Amino acid sequence: GAVVSQHPSWVICKSGTSVKIECRSLDFQATTMFWYRQFPKQSLMLMATSNEGSKATYEQGVEKDKFLINHASLTLSTLTVTSAHPEDSSFYICSAYPVTGFSSYEQYFGPGTRLTVT
Amino acid sequence: GQNIDQPTEMTATEGAIVQINCTYQTSGFNGLFWYQQHAGEAPTFLSYNVLDGLEEKGRFSSFLSRSKGYSYLLLKELQMKDSASYLCAVLDSNYQLIWGAGTKLIIKP
Repeated sequence: GAVVSQHPSWVICKSGTSVKIECRSLDFQATTMFWYRQFPKQSLMLMATSNEGSKATYEQGVEKDKFLINHASLTLSTLTVTSAHPEDSSFYICSAYPVTGFSSYEQYFGPGTRLTVT
Repeated sequence: GQNIDQPTEMTATEGAIVQINCTYQTSGFNGLFWYQQHAGEAPTFLSYNVLDGLEEKGRFSSFLSRSKGYSYLLLKELQMKDSASYLCAVLDSNYQLIWGAGTKLIIKP
């Protein structure tokens, strides 16, 4: 199967600090990874599409200077929440498309990172 | 614009059958996914339909009608562990996933 990991699984930080979340594809290569945010009782909201070796594509309304995305290799993408504020508290989930070897466009999801900003 | 509609919440009884509907209007179509999401966890893949018809996988089945922009997820022999949110998502012409808001399914004994 295709496994995606995220680290950390939960984090508490103080307002004004930065937090980095890692997303790794463990047994496949992924040229494209996605970052989602989910607030309680709401659906997934795509924040950005991360492409290996190039700049991320951000969805409308998502501040690219606040949510820094780096996709430096085919197995790792990072999301850094800079100068975090309490309203950034949310469940952040990444997903990935395998490069080859799979028959559908299924996205494989990481387990998510719960961020709480105090 | 792009739009996916599914009921906000449904309630069913353990052992029964429930059908969760999803209608969509998107720019292009490259398949429809159903995901299950338990509270506080990431979504898990249930099914992928790209051609019309019914796909059966154990207790779960998914149906697609591209001409009607319609899909449903059918859950049989409901178990308490099936209590979760069920997300419908369409892959559009740019291979971007468009997500529905999800249907919260409550199973009662």
